[in-house]
Amino acid sequence: GAGVSQTPSNKVTEKGKYVELRCDPISGHTALYWYRQSLGQGPEFLIYFQGTGAADDSGLPNDRFFAVRPEGSVSTLKIQRTERGDSAVYLCASSSTGVGRQYFGAGTRLSVL
Amino acid sequence: AQRVTQPEKLLSVFKGAPVELKCNYSYSGSPELFWYVQYSRQRLQLLLRHISRESIKGFTADLNKGETSFHLKKPFAQEEDSAMYYCALLIQGAQKLVFGQGTRLTINP
Repeated sequence: GAGVSQTPSNKVTEKGKYVELRCDPISGHTALYWYRQSLGQGPEFLIYFQGTGAADDSGLPNDRFFAVRPEGSVSTLKIQRTERGDSAVYLCASSSTGVGRQYFGAGTRLSVL
Repeated sequence: AQRVTQPEKLLSVFKGAPVELKCNYSYSGSPELFWYVQYSRQRLQLLLRHISRESIKGFTADLNKGETSFHLKKPFAQEEDSAMYYCALLIQGAQKLVFGQGTRLTINP
């Protein structure tokens, strides 16, 4: 595709439910990032993949959050037992080498009721 | 600690006036800084990076290590510049971006 694709664009769920957010990076990009953007804030780093492995997951807020990238392309961010405080826009970005410019997707807006 | 500060959440100027969006950073390593922009109903996109020393859409930004600043400037604002602007710092090794809170720039006709 032409850019980073994220699905769904919007997700509404109930407190306590499990959700999965998908990111399809630019073809050939080895580095993939997840960020979370709360209302009125800048994006905050969650996790960075280089290839299939998580090179840095220091931004994941707790063990309810988990992300995978099994084949080094598509990534899924998984959130268990969602809480209202998880409501935010979740952004995915990719880059060709893991240094420098990152290309962002349009984001998934998660609302936990 | 690594931190990026954008002191102005909102900035409003008239068309044709100069504009400056402030950004200060705190980082012990060698800084690599970016400005990202988000226009209405569009995704976040790179505007410029300091190592390129380029001018994009009339915007420039100079890294001042003494003042730990990377302010974004444009001499004559245009209405299409209205957008959300984020300053970001790349953490070396970790390869993650640390963003400021953002400044919403509004250009009045």
